[in-house]
Amino acid sequence: DTEVTQTPKHLVMGMTNKKSLKCEQHMGHRAMYWYKQKAKKPPELMFVYSYEKLSINESVPSRFSPECPNSSLLNLHLHALQPEDSALYLCASSQADRPYTEAFFGQGTRLTVV
Amino acid sequence: DAKTTQPPSMDCAEGRAANLPCNHSTISGNEYVYWYRQIHSQGPQYIIHGLKNNETNEMASLIITEDRKSSTLILPHATLRDTAVYYCIVRVGGSARQLTFGSGTQLTVLP
Repeated sequence: DTEVTQTPKHLVMGMTNKKSLKCEQHMGHRAMYWYKQKAKKPPELMFVYSYEKLSINESVPSRFSPECPNSSLLNLHLHALQPEDSALYLCASSQADRPYTEAFFGQGTRLTVV
Repeated sequence: DAKTTQPPSMDCAEGRAANLPCNHSTISGNEYVYWYRQIHSQGPQYIIHGLKNNETNEMASLIITEDRKSSTLILPHATLRDTAVYYCIVRVGGSARQLTFGSGTQLTVLP
């Protein structure tokens, strides 16, 4: 199984809502990532988890709150988002302890903030 | 991680080889070259990676110059399904590190 599964595929939320994005993998990967991608732009890294601990936060606003409850799951909790946060949110996973490693990406959650 | 430079767009005729260049003149000795592609509205897909030697897999070949300052991804027989944005990424090996995407090359395979 080389899949990274993201749910939901599409999400529309109001600026006062609280929602969560979910990501799951069963490849035994101990590194997991959240990326944000705006239209016609490359993916931008948000967070990296290594062995279930947050290792990189690319100065992401606190309205985005990541969580890694176990080695297979990664969540992104959303609260009080702005319309400019509308984007494709991508999850990825990879081995955490090899000198080279490929990352596997999910198909993303397309988020629209209204 | 070293910065990469790619042409913004390229066209290729279906059935012909697609050669996608990447410049990474500031690459250091422990940095790998990775290629990913992203088909419209899908997640990025790993293609191939290399350190010094040329590499080939079922999807593509990667040619790295001897000084490692540039590389070329070769899709030997491009199909319409290879139309995508191709990203060349240079990254240090080791424990979990970010993949930093540059602007990539939009490859359009023409019938």
